[in-house]
Amino acid sequence: DAKTTQPNSMESNEEEPVHLPCNHSTISGTDYIHWYRQLPSQGPEYVIHGLTSNVNNRMASLAIAEDRKSSTLILHRATLRDAAVYYCILRAGNNRKLIWGLGTSLAVNP
Amino acid sequence: DVKVTQSSRYLVKRTGEKVFLECVQDMDHENMFWYRQDPGLGLRLIYFSYDVKMKEKGDIPEGYSVSREKKERFSLILESASTNQTSMYLCASRRTGWSTGELFFGEGSRLTVL
Repeated sequence: DAKTTQPNSMESNEEEPVHLPCNHSTISGTDYIHWYRQLPSQGPEYVIHGLTSNVNNRMASLAIAEDRKSSTLILHRATLRDAAVYYCILRAGNNRKLIWGLGTSLAVNP
Repeated sequence: DVKVTQSSRYLVKRTGEKVFLECVQDMDHENMFWYRQDPGLGLRLIYFSYDVKMKEKGDIPEGYSVSREKKERFSLILESASTNQTSMYLCASRRTGWSTGELFFGEGSRLTVL
């Protein structure tokens, strides 16, 4: 199963953009790239997902490298509420399982 | 608002007790999942169910069983709890199909086995 690699932690200042990187060099052609985040004392929540093209939604943007071996989650203006653990995940080809890594703990400074 | 509800936020049980963790979703989702989350190990899939009465083992099914008698309810059972099953348990649901990727999680059930 393909795996993801993320930095353990990152820090940002409020109202600045944040770029959260993820490496997935063994990704297969049918694996979707998903991002979730987990706020303290809560279950994970969906952020965004994509296959090949860059994606935007109200929460974030997802930039996917042309060779799909890496991706970047972009929070355009970090807020204190964005402090969380961010998980970059691949969806295995059987459509039922997600392969979770350890995530990046994002701290946002006021 | 869509919702996945887990029956208990915190439980304390003794070694050898039978433990039931209940999960209910109100979104008519076909797929439901049980994960456990431990520091340094991340989320690990215990079991999942893709339809009523259907189940498949995840990555760490040993010591657990599940039940899905109704579409909205997915139960995780620890037949004889052990201290190494102390963990945060997370239930999730998702509509089936490639075009919808979003997993909805409950708030988690923190189980302590003494």
